[in-house]
Amino acid sequence: SQTIHQWPATLVQPVGSPLSLECTVEGTSNPNLYWYRQAAGRGLQLLFYSVGIGQISSEVPQNLSASRPQDRQFILSSKKLLLSDSGFYLCAWGLGTGIQDTQYFGPGTRLTVL
Amino acid sequence: GENVEQHPSTLSVQEGDSAVIKCTYSDSASNYFPWYKQELGKRPQLIIDIRSNVGEKKDQRIAVTLNKTAKHFSLHITETQPEDSAVYFCAARNKGWGKLQFGAGTQVVVTP
Repeated sequence: SQTIHQWPATLVQPVGSPLSLECTVEGTSNPNLYWYRQAAGRGLQLLFYSVGIGQISSEVPQNLSASRPQDRQFILSSKKLLLSDSGFYLCAWGLGTGIQDTQYFGPGTRLTVL
Repeated sequence: GENVEQHPSTLSVQEGDSAVIKCTYSDSASNYFPWYKQELGKRPQLIIDIRSNVGEKKDQRIAVTLNKTAKHFSLHITETQPEDSAVYFCAARNKGWGKLQFGAGTQVVVTP
């Protein structure tokens, strides 16, 4: 069966510091991968999605970037964090086409920028 | 692109009563409609989904209905229990691609 991992689970960072969040998926090949952000008490905002290694699409212009160095690894980064980057970051995977088109979320990383 | 509106934003129900959440979508090409439940501090979990070739789907106390003509779909929870308290998100997916457009969410509170 498929499993999705995210780390770290929680993170407290000062403004202006760099960021690296990692997501990995097990038990499937060539998944579509997604990064979402959820501000406190708010909805799900799609940040990036990827249909394959090295293929990244950005949904919202911001100081964040994403990379997919391996088939089942998705990384979210920032060179300098802003206060507004605080939130709950969720990685999700899906197979995207045909019957198996459901998205499944990872456990999330709760980021606080001080 | 797709736009999904979800109502109500909050819903309070007495334990044992039914809860109904409604979503409308804009793109008639959308063909997949999942519902997620998010408990406080946890990840969204898929609870039920429906595809455009089906009008209704049930799973125990949960059901989803789809009206393609009117472009709306609804989540029905019967015999609500305190553990049904959570935020519920609807979503719609355009035909052929995996991106989901989410509604803004409904906070459901079930009072004993």
